[in-house]
Amino acid sequence: DTEVTQTPKHLVMGMTNKKSLKCEQHMGHRAMYWYKQKAKKPPELMFVYSYEKLSINESVPSRFSPECPNSSLLNLHLHALQPEDSALYLCASRPKGSYEQYFGPGTRLTVT
Amino acid sequence: KQEVTQIPAALSVPEGENLVLNCSFTDSAIYNLQWFRQDPGKGLTSLLLIQSSQREQTSGRLNASLDKSSGRSTLYIAASQPGDSATYLCAVSRGETSGSRLTFGEGTQLTVNP
Repeated sequence: DTEVTQTPKHLVMGMTNKKSLKCEQHMGHRAMYWYKQKAKKPPELMFVYSYEKLSINESVPSRFSPECPNSSLLNLHLHALQPEDSALYLCASRPKGSYEQYFGPGTRLTVT
Repeated sequence: KQEVTQIPAALSVPEGENLVLNCSFTDSAIYNLQWFRQDPGKGLTSLLLIQSSQREQTSGRLNASLDKSSGRSTLYIAASQPGDSATYLCAVSRGETSGSRLTFGEGTQLTVNP
């Protein structure tokens, strides 16, 4: 398996909902990333996990809660989001000893 | 703070043309530079990665160069095809101590007309 997968592809949620985004890779990569991308803008880093530990939080609001239950899985838990949080959420992973990041297809999130 | 700039923001060319996309960065203390392609509403596909010690990388019709001292990289696409139409992003990394975080440019939106 040589890819990063993300589910769901699309998600519509209300501001009072709780939902989760899921990212998986089975390439043995030990660093995993969450990015947020608004339309016609570059991706912005949100979180970095290294060996299942949170190593970087780019001052992301607490309504976004990341979780890395094991080396293959990365979740992003969402609660009480705002309409401006609507964006494409991208997951990426990186193998040990390399700086090349591999991206998933993203989850298109719409907050109503 | 690292800033990455891509010029032009948009480019429209006829099929078959050779073209160059430009990327510049303000802090030359980088570990590597990565070029990505992004189709509308999709994820990023890595095209080429150049380590800071390298001058260029080639993959098929793509050639990326890096001049670290001047803070510049170019992506050369030979014999462009309509299927090359996409947004091209360059990103630089400062390495492990920064979590290998990527700083992206705003991208060049390329349209290749048949």
